[in-house]
Amino acid sequence: ETGVTQTPRHLVMGMTNKKSLKCEQHLGHNAMYWYKQSAKKPLELMFVYNFKEQTENNSVPSRFSPECPNSSHLFLHLHTLQPEDSALYLCASSPAVGGTGPYNEQFFGPGTRLTVL
Amino acid sequence: DQQVKQNSPSLSVQEGRISILNCDYTNSMFDYFLWYKKYPAEGPTFLISISSIKDKNEDGRFTVFLNKSAKHLSLHIVPSQPGDSAVYFCAASAYSGGGADGLTFGKGTHLIIQP
Repeated sequence: ETGVTQTPRHLVMGMTNKKSLKCEQHLGHNAMYWYKQSAKKPLELMFVYNFKEQTENNSVPSRFSPECPNSSHLFLHLHTLQPEDSALYLCASSPAVGGTGPYNEQFFGPGTRLTVL
Repeated sequence: DQQVKQNSPSLSVQEGRISILNCDYTNSMFDYFLWYKKYPAEGPTFLISISSIKDKNEDGRFTVFLNKSAKHLSLHIVPSQPGDSAVYFCAASAYSGGGADGLTFGKGTHLIIQP
């Protein structure tokens, strides 16, 4: 496997379900991100992890719970979601050795298309 | 309030001609700008970037221009090819004192290259 992979690619869940999205990067990067893309909206940053530590939570509701056990893996645990949470969830990684610039060039996975019924 | 704006949802250009995609931003703290390309059912892929200390960066058929005083950047593709048909996202980041920075994205422009 190369690059950034995400599983599952598609997920349909009820509002009372608990599910998890998985992301894995094979690029040796140190930072990982979750983004949400809703219809007709820009990609919205949700969470940032740098060296396994969460450095940003962009006012995301607590029904979304991220987990980063190591620099290569990132999870997004979902519980009691709402239909308006239906969206494309994208994971990304970047070298993030510090600061901005080329170290912030982020590589994206293909996304998980989530539908909440 | 959107900090990165792409005001053209779509753009149609004839094959072989120049494609110009525009992006405006409002946050003066942004110091690094990126363009991403996205095909259906795939994640965005990095295309080209520019630091705020430059006003132009070129990579093959792709050139990005930055006008800091106008808070405007543009992506030029010349000559345009059918494979360039995709959604193009403008993104920006601001230095936060070290570590990883999330990107702020525009809504995207759907570029259609016509034969």
